[in-house]
Amino acid sequence: GDSVTQMEGPVTLSEEAFLTINCTYTATGYPSLFWYVQYPGEGLQLLLKATKADDKGSNKGFEATYRKETTSFHLEKGSVQVSDSAVYFCALHGSSNTGKLIFGQGTTLQVKP
Amino acid sequence: NAGVMQNPRHLVRRRGQEARLRCSPMKGHSHVYWYRQLPEEGLKFMVYLQKENIIDESGMPKERFSAEFPKEGPSILRIQQVVRGDSAAYFCASSPQDRANNSPLHFGNGTRLTVT
Repeated sequence: GDSVTQMEGPVTLSEEAFLTINCTYTATGYPSLFWYVQYPGEGLQLLLKATKADDKGSNKGFEATYRKETTSFHLEKGSVQVSDSAVYFCALHGSSNTGKLIFGQGTTLQVKP
Repeated sequence: NAGVMQNPRHLVRRRGQEARLRCSPMKGHSHVYWYRQLPEEGLKFMVYLQKENIIDESGMPKERFSAEFPKEGPSILRIQQVVRGDSAAYFCASSPQDRANNSPLHFGNGTRLTVT
């Protein structure tokens, strides 16, 4: 079945460092891909999405490009801030028509001043 | 425009008791999804409901768990005879319509269930 694999955390960076969180997926057909962010004690918020191959999703300085050839959707940010500390989830919406999302296990990002 | 509202935020139950988790979707949303987040794990899909209908319950444990989304009122996730392994954060999400068009899910802040 469909699945999502993320790099394990925690990822610890200094402020203004470059961020990459790897995400790869397995799915039949052409899934849509998402990144969600979860701040402490809160629910998930959509960060960005891409619905077809070679699309680039971007928001708040974060970017991810849908790479069909490598089945990847890595999250990047050029200069992280302390306020970016959170848990990041990669997810896919697969071929089922029920609309459910399949999530990766999440990657904790800690940014130190 | 209120978001997805879940209550209670925290729920403590002793083994064997029942837990009821409530979710009011965003205004105008008629589709509700329940997910469970175990410690140090990602979110696992449990069930997808529309008003008065269960559409997909492939992620629900076969016993003790049930969900409903009545015509009036919130969606309810019910766990009977709770065990310690049920301790987790339970998240509800809603969307306005069939997500074939990839409209995003809107999540609540979750209910954190602790079974003692």
